[in-house]
Amino acid sequence: AQKVTQAQTEISVVEKEDVTLDCVYETRDTTYYLFWYKQPPSGELVFLIRRNSFDEQNEISGRYSWNFQKSTSSFNFTITASQVVDSAVYFCALSGYSSASKIIFGSGTRLSIRP
Amino acid sequence: DTGVSQNPRHKITKRGQNVTFRCDPISEHNRLYWYRQTLGQGPEFLTYFQNEAQLEKSRLLSDRFSAERPKGSFSTLEIQRTEQGDSAMYLCASSLSEEKGPQHFGDGTRLSIL
Repeated sequence: AQKVTQAQTEISVVEKEDVTLDCVYETRDTTYYLFWYKQPPSGELVFLIRRNSFDEQNEISGRYSWNFQKSTSSFNFTITASQVVDSAVYFCALSGYSSASKIIFGSGTRLSIRP
Repeated sequence: DTGVSQNPRHKITKRGQNVTFRCDPISEHNRLYWYRQTLGQGPEFLTYFQNEAQLEKSRLLSDRFSAERPKGSFSTLEIQRTEQGDSAMYLCASSLSEEKGPQHFGDGTRLSIL
């Protein structure tokens, strides 16, 4: 069975602090995709990143970075120098590598950035 | 790219009534997905279409739920005899099959059952 666990329900930090959102996943598949989505108060799910299980290189995109460690089944997300606009619910997710590939989402981490 | 469009944005109805939601995917996307999201939870997969064919349905999709994509473009999700537990956000997503994702989501339809 596939499962995604986001143990941090809510995080609150002051603007400009760095913050890391944890994600642990379970899957029996040897090949799979991992995702992060952002859901701002407006409600739309915004795609942030997709990583396939073959590629364990960390990725950086501006203030965002992702740390994929297959050995610990983790795919953590760090925001550097956080801003108020980063306030949202962030979902980590997992899908199989085959063609249909429904996405299994975690329960989300609500991130609040205080000015 | 106009994005995934869902209508209506909000639907309030009495228990026992039927409701229908519509999703218009990104025009060149041949895959369309429906998810349900309840408060404080991540989205849960309901069903998936490749063009007009419904290829997978979750156990969450009881016999009161039916989804169609008659011409392989827009899709409808109908809930018959609504129950209190059906109150949720219903999200539609679309993708290109060649990419195997990512799925692009619409703003969702929020259903409230009185």
